[in-house]
Amino acid sequence: GDSVTQMEGPVTLSEEAFLTINCTYTATGYPSLFWYVQYPGEGLQLLLKATKADDKGSNKGFEATYRKETTSFHLEKGSVQVSDSAVYFCALSPYGNNRLAFGKGNQVVVIP
Amino acid sequence: ETGVTQSPTHLIKTRGQQVTLRCSSQSGHNTVSWYQQALGQGPQFIFQYYREEENGRGNFPPRFSGLQFPNYSSELNVNALELDDSALYLCASSLKSTEEETQYFGPGTRLLVL
Repeated sequence: GDSVTQMEGPVTLSEEAFLTINCTYTATGYPSLFWYVQYPGEGLQLLLKATKADDKGSNKGFEATYRKETTSFHLEKGSVQVSDSAVYFCALSPYGNNRLAFGKGNQVVVIP
Repeated sequence: ETGVTQSPTHLIKTRGQQVTLRCSSQSGHNTVSWYQQALGQGPQFIFQYYREEENGRGNFPPRFSGLQFPNYSSELNVNALELDDSALYLCASSLKSTEEETQYFGPGTRLLVL
């Protein structure tokens, strides 16, 4: 079935460092891809999305490019801030079916 | 435009009891999906409601049931609660169309089963 795999373990980095969180997926057809962010004690907020191959989603300095050839949707940000500390989830929605399949999430901790 | 709201925010129940969680969809949205998020895990799809009918279900037993009302709000009911039902329950609303539908999530209801 459709699934999403995120890199293992939390990510700890210093303020202004470069952030990359890896995400790969398995799906039939052409899913839509998403990154959601969850701040402590809150629900999920949509961060960015891409609906077809080679699309780049971007928001708040974060970017991710839909790579069909490598089935990936890695999240990047050039200079993180303490306020970016949160859990980040990669997710996919199969074409024509908007039930989301999520990865396990990555805790990101940004140290001043 | 109001976002997705859920009630209650927190709930404590004992094993074997029944619980009802509520969700109001974002203005203009006609579809509601429910997810269960266990501690330290990603959300898992429970089911979706569209036009007051169940429109897809994940790998959850029948004791998880739901309703959608004419105003598109929704309820999630769980019977015969088990300890493993302790989780954050998230509701998401979207507008069903022929194109991609983005889901917007509420803050969740945190359920603890003792």
